[in-house]
Amino acid sequence: RKEVEQDPGPFNVPEGATVAFNCTYSNSASQSFFWYRQDCRKEPKLLMSVYSSGNEDGRFTAQLNRASQYISLLIRDSKLSDSATYLCVVNRDNFNKFYFGSGTKLNVKP
Amino acid sequence: DTAVSQTPKYLVTQMGNDKSIKCEQNLGHDTMYWYKQDSKKFLKIMFSYNNKELIINETVPNRFSPKSPDKAHLNLHINSLELGDSAVYFCASSPTSGPNTGELFFGEGSRLTVL
Repeated sequence: RKEVEQDPGPFNVPEGATVAFNCTYSNSASQSFFWYRQDCRKEPKLLMSVYSSGNEDGRFTAQLNRASQYISLLIRDSKLSDSATYLCVVNRDNFNKFYFGSGTKLNVKP
Repeated sequence: DTAVSQTPKYLVTQMGNDKSIKCEQNLGHDTMYWYKQDSKKFLKIMFSYNNKELIINETVPNRFSPKSPDKAHLNLHINSLELGDSAVYFCASSPTSGPNTGELFFGEGSRLTVL
């Protein structure tokens, strides 16, 4: 079983829509959680960390459910520039081992 | 200033050849990584070094040999290249203390094509 699983999508949504991605992780010892964004043919970049109490950064909201071992990302008022692949990342044991999901592709259309 | 830089960005070579990819970070981070992203876009960790010491080796064939001459550099040498080695190889670094603890900073990637 993969460490981190995501729906690959693609999610095709109109501008202004609200879209949510989920991600599940297999190891209950996982300690830190992140969402990264990867544009086509570019490197992944940190979008936001995910805290136990949930956190928000502008139009983006991340939630963590440790009991069910899943992480979610909500994007409100989608922009064309949000089109990218969103990678769920989990860090286990220490800060040296990051596990990536295969990514969820988002296409925001005019 | 590029924080994590890797060279070359593109590499096309024949099966059986040996090639190297270099990576340097100017962020002062203690930990550096090599990740492989295959055609299905799955990012998989290969190696991790902390202060020049190998701490993660994720069942990578021994044709792949990382080398860290100092904590700012992590190079990857690949012997006897195979078709399945074609992928994008990302170098990354992360701090182990401070406000960005736990964040990975990636280089732009090195796209390797084996013919």
